[in-house]
Amino acid sequence: GAGVSQSPSNKVTEKGKDVELRCDPISGHTALYWYRQSLGQGLEFLIYFQGNSAPDKSGLPSDRFSAERTGGSVSTLTIQRTQQEDSAVYLCASSLEPAPDRGNTIYFGEGSWLTVV
Amino acid sequence: TQLLEQSPQFLSIQEGENLTVYCNSSSVFSSLQWYRQEPGEGPVLLVTVVTGGEVKKLKRLTFQFGDARKDSSLHITAAQPGDTGLYLCAGARSNDYKLSFGAGTTVTVRA
Repeated sequence: GAGVSQSPSNKVTEKGKDVELRCDPISGHTALYWYRQSLGQGLEFLIYFQGNSAPDKSGLPSDRFSAERTGGSVSTLTIQRTQQEDSAVYLCASSLEPAPDRGNTIYFGEGSWLTVV
Repeated sequence: TQLLEQSPQFLSIQEGENLTVYCNSSSVFSSLQWYRQEPGEGPVLLVTVVTGGEVKKLKRLTFQFGDARKDSSLHITAAQPGDTGLYLCAGARSNDYKLSFGAGTTVTVRA
C-alpha cells in the first residue's frame, strides 16, 4: 500500500511474554519513528531511525524495549517480559527526511494496539 | 508532565456551532503542528505553523501560532459531524526530529 503499514493491529498477550510489532514505512522514506499512545495521554517518543545513522533510543522507557530497522526499511519493536503498564497503542511513522520544523510531513500508521493481561 | 497543555480535554457541540481548542506551553518551539486522529487510525497532519503570529486557514479551520511561539489555537467555524475526532498539537524544536505532543482534545459534533 501507499501508507505506513503496521502489524499486528491488535495483540493481547500475557504478562511476562515477549511481543514483536512490525512497521513497513512508506517506500523511500529515510526517517522512521516509533511513538506510544496511552489512554488520555499524548504520543510519547520512543525511538528514531534515520538512514544508516545510529538510532536515537532516548525515548525507550526501559531495557525491555528494543527496536531494529533492517535494510533501511522495515522496523521491528520488541518488548520483552511485558508488563501491564506496557498496554498502549504503538504508532510507527515515517517521513522523507527528519526535522518536522522544516515542513517535512510525518505519516503515521494505524498503530498496533497492545493489551497485556 | 506534558510539555504542551491542551484545553479543553473534551468538547461536545451541536452541528453549526463554532469551537476553539488551545495548545499552551512554557517552551518555545520552532514549529507547531496540528493533527486529527480518528478511532483506530493514526494521527493525520492538518497544518504546520512556523512563524510567530502566523495564521493559516484550511476551509473552516483556522490555526494560529502565538507571537512568542509558545502557544497555538485551532478554531473551527460551523462545525460538522465530520469534524469529530481527537485533535492533537505537537511542537518541534529547531533541527529536532522529535515531536512533543499534547494530550489531545476530543471533539464531538452532534448532528
